[in-house]
Order: sequence, then structure tokens, then C-alpha cells
Amino acid sequence: DQQVKQNSPSLSVQEGRISILNCDYTNSMFDYFLWYKKYPAEGPTFLISISSIKDKNEDGRFTVFLNKSAKHLSLHIVPSQPGDSAVYFCAATRSGSARQLTFGSGTQLTVLP
Amino acid sequence: NAGVTQTPKFRVLKTGQSMTLLCAQDMNHEYMYWYRQDPGMGLRLIHYSVGEGTTAKGEVPDGYNVSRLKKQNFLLGLESAAPSQTSVYFCASKLTAGGEKLFFGSGTQLSVL
Repeated sequence: DQQVKQNSPSLSVQEGRISILNCDYTNSMFDYFLWYKKYPAEGPTFLISISSIKDKNEDGRFTVFLNKSAKHLSLHIVPSQPGDSAVYFCAATRSGSARQLTFGSGTQLTVLP
Repeated sequence: NAGVTQTPKFRVLKTGQSMTLLCAQDMNHEYMYWYRQDPGMGLRLIHYSVGEGTTAKGEVPDGYNVSRLKKQNFLLGLESAAPSQTSVYFCASKLTAGGEKLFFGSGTQLSVL
């Protein structure tokens, strides 16, 4: 039973346009959410996070939106750049949990020049 | 700063062979984790450690053992490798229970024939 789901395995976007990556979760105990970015042959790197007390968090071109009632979060990248092409993982946890993150299956984003 | 270092980067085993994957971090982090990444399944937690001398099971612990004899090192062992253990293995660490962001190594590609 996947507690964190990314239903789109891949997404292609034109350079300069908006990329929207989606993530759904089922565990109501999750209260902290993160996005990681992964390039081939590298480990995932932290991108942006959001606590359940907020519904939006922004960092430069990246914005994460959280809809707690729908148990849904999304990552917006504006404007998209070719260097953003990577696999994006959504992750969730309960704050302070030693067991750490539950990851989604990832979305491969391709930004076309 | 080296961060999280994994060795080896690549390994091919025959069914039934054993091996140990080494993870070393130089950030004085208390918490360390072993994940495996498989296509379409994201990252799944194998084992984790909340401090030197401690280990605990994650989501998919069967067929693996771990040890944390020194704070900076977290070893993942396969006693009798099986083809189902063909995967990319990632080690990660974080400072404390309150710090949610994980730092990942670059991964070990393991093939079991």
C-alpha cells in the first residue's frame, strides 16, 4: 500500500513554461512534506519542503502547495529550465520521526529547449 | 566537504555471494539510513540507525543486516545475495530527529546474477 503516490511517471514541458508535479498521500499522520531532485548517477538532493501548518512555500522558481483536505501537494517550477530535467521525488513524514521519509515513485521531468 | 560517501559505486554478485556496502558521513550526524531504489517504486527504507550501536528495521529489511559500530559509518550487509536484491542502494543521514532534511550519498548499483 503506497502511502505517497506520484501518478505521473513522466512530464515534458517547454523551456520557459510552468512545470507542475503532483503528489498524493493517504496517511493523515504525515505533517511534513519534501521534494527531492535526482540526476542520473547521483543521490537525491533536497529541493523544498512544507509543513502542514502552511499551504504554500516558495523558494525562487520553486513553489510547493499543500491541500490538506485533499491530501495533495504539488510542486510548481516557473520558469522551467533545461537544467531542471531530473527525477522529482515527493516525500512525507511525521515531524520528529526517526523512521524518516516515505517516498513516492518519482516523476521524470524533461524540459525541452 | 565529502558529506555522505558510499563504497563501492558498482558491484556484480552471483546468487548466494555475500558483500558489505559501506556508508561514511563526516557531518557528525546521529541518524543514518539505507534505502533501495527500484523502478516505479521510489525509495524504500531498508534499515536505519538513530545513533552509534543502534539499528532498527525499515520497510523492506529481509535479506539485509546492518551495523553501526562507529557514529560516522553505517554498513549494509547481504549474507546470501538474491536476484531480487538487484537495485540501487542509497545511504542517507541527518543530524537529529527534528531535522527532516536528509543528505544522500551518490548510490551503489548492485546487480545479482
